[in-house]
Parts: sequence; C-alpha cells; structure tokens
Amino acid sequence: GQQLNQSPQSMFIQEGEDVSMNCTSSSIFNTWLWYKQDPGEGPVLLIALYKAGELTSNGRLTAQFGITRKDSFLNISASIPSDVGIYFCAGQLVGSYIPTFGRGTSLIVHP
Amino acid sequence: DTGVSQDPRHKITKRGQNVTFRCDPISEHNRLYWYRQTLGQGPEFLTYFQNEAQLEKSRLLSDRFSAERPKGSFSTLEIQRTEQGDSAMYLCASSFRDRALRDTFFGQGTRLTVV
Repeated sequence: GQQLNQSPQSMFIQEGEDVSMNCTSSSIFNTWLWYKQDPGEGPVLLIALYKAGELTSNGRLTAQFGITRKDSFLNISASIPSDVGIYFCAGQLVGSYIPTFGRGTSLIVHP
Repeated sequence: DTGVSQDPRHKITKRGQNVTFRCDPISEHNRLYWYRQTLGQGPEFLTYFQNEAQLEKSRLLSDRFSAERPKGSFSTLEIQRTEQGDSAMYLCASSFRDRALRDTFFGQGTRLTVV
C-alpha cells in the first residue's frame, strides 16, 4: 500500500499565487520524483531529486529533497491556469527500483 | 517514436468477462512497468519486465491477472473473470535500465469500467 503522505489533498488558488505542496514518509527514500497528471492522461515527470538537500528548479517549479531523506516539497511560483492538474510525489525506497506514489494534490487555478 | 502507447484507451466490460490490454513502450526501452490507478489515488505498482523477463510482481496482482512481454517489446495485461473492483486506469510505463526513474515515461492509460 501507499507509504507516502502527500498534502494538501487539494488547493484552490488565484492565478498568480504561489503554491507549495509536500510529501512525507516514515521510510528513507533515495530518490524523490514529482509528476503532474492531466485528466485522462498518464503522469508526466516534472522534477527528479537524487541527493539529500538537493534543490532543483524546472521553470516556475522548484523541488527539494529533505535532508532527513523522508520528505520533499514542490513549489510552483506565479501559477497560471495551465498548472491545473493533479501533482504526485513518488519516492524510491532504498534497495527498490519501483517508485511508490503519494495520493496526489489536486490543483485548481482560478483566472 | 511518439512515446508509450496503450490500447484501448477505454474499455467497458461486463463482470465475469476477460479483458486484455496492450502496451507498446518506447522502442529502445528495455524496462516496462504496469500500474493501476483508482480514483483519488496515485498509481500503484503491479509488475515490471526487463526485456522479456517478468522480474517483480506486486501482491496486488492476483491470480486473475497475467502479464506477458513475449519478445521483449510490447506487453499485454490480461484480467480474467473481471470484478467491479477491477475498474481503474491501467497505466504502462517504460524506461531504459541504466537511466531508470528519471527517464520513465508513462502512457495515457487504459480506463477499464466493469459493469
């Protein structure tokens, strides 16, 4: 079953606002991934993190790998309507090649 | 190559029927994964192949489920005697072994509805 706690479950924001979401785990992960999924589509990778403390940006997105290796956050700056979708964190447990996914954060951006 | 392709995109079936889904991975990718995603949940791992070898299976993969990748290229996922609880999106993903997670690409999924 799921081993990741992702929050918040949903967010309703105004265009232009910044967004922050996070994932925590009771287990140590050696990789953190953030995906976006649009309705009726498969997840698309946004950012991959491989080292504790790593901070990586992809355009308006920034993600960090927590130093305890049990958490990660994703920030979106200056949100726009096309940011709407479900954002998933996924982590790779030590010794596993299979990512475990969180339950997702549903983002709605009002113009 | 346009990415990971799944067929069909949607399938409605009656309870008790068998269904089969197909996944065509990105051509040079030797790893292929199947996931199941229910409403409001993240994808849950079912099984994965490296080339034609099925290397890992989740406990979610009951004996009614079988997956094959006979020539190390496309894969099929069959569900026998479908139940309403099998209704979900079935996602396929592929990667090249040495680049694994960062270069894992998902298909658009097959939405199964069991009535």
